[in-house]
Amino acid sequence: DTGVSQDPRHKITKRGQNVTFRCDPISEHNRLYWYRQTLGQGPEFLTYFQNEAQLEKSRLLSDRFSAERPKGSFSTLEIQRTEQGDSAMYLCASSPLGGELFFGEGSRLTVL
Amino acid sequence: QKEVEQNSGPLSVPEGAIASLNCTYSDRGSQSFFWYRQYSGKSPELIMFIYSNGDKEDGRFTAQLNKASQYVSLLIRDSQPSDSATYLCAVNSGGYQKVTFGIGTKLQVIP
Repeated sequence: DTGVSQDPRHKITKRGQNVTFRCDPISEHNRLYWYRQTLGQGPEFLTYFQNEAQLEKSRLLSDRFSAERPKGSFSTLEIQRTEQGDSAMYLCASSPLGGELFFGEGSRLTVL
Repeated sequence: QKEVEQNSGPLSVPEGAIASLNCTYSDRGSQSFFWYRQYSGKSPELIMFIYSNGDKEDGRFTAQLNKASQYVSLLIRDSQPSDSATYLCAVNSGGYQKVTFGIGTKLQVIP
């Protein structure tokens, strides 16, 4: 399978715990995006990497969110001290130079 | 003002009709415009992109762009029940290629 893969697909955690999501992009794509989507809303931009450089981060993100893309390959998104409001689908997408996004199947987070 | 605005719908059209979906954006410097389709419980998938003013056709889909009016639209001809989904408008703006999505318009094609 040469598409974007995300892991885990589902995560249930208790409030206050830390969670980490992983995204493996399409290998020839140098851009990687993270989005968050809640029911009835469009994907909300979180952050964007070109190769290993994090070029933009949403001002909506608190300091509890951090993302990395070591060596410009896979990426991780960590949420520290989760809150119930963090419950959402976390989507990763990779992109070639043209800007079109290719999404993974998402990681659904439920915070109890 | 939201960066990308869409009517959330639902937009209901009979099978075989033309569905017209609209989107406006706020950043005049935006360069690239996309339409994604999202079925319930699935991730968005790209169906059309357009960079220049005018129309772009791909099968039953036509994307239209008017940069002066900051307006993008998607026409779906001969709508089928399988076209029932949420259609997301996305705009590539900012120096670092940030892609911003609208809320999406839910389309229902009635058999």
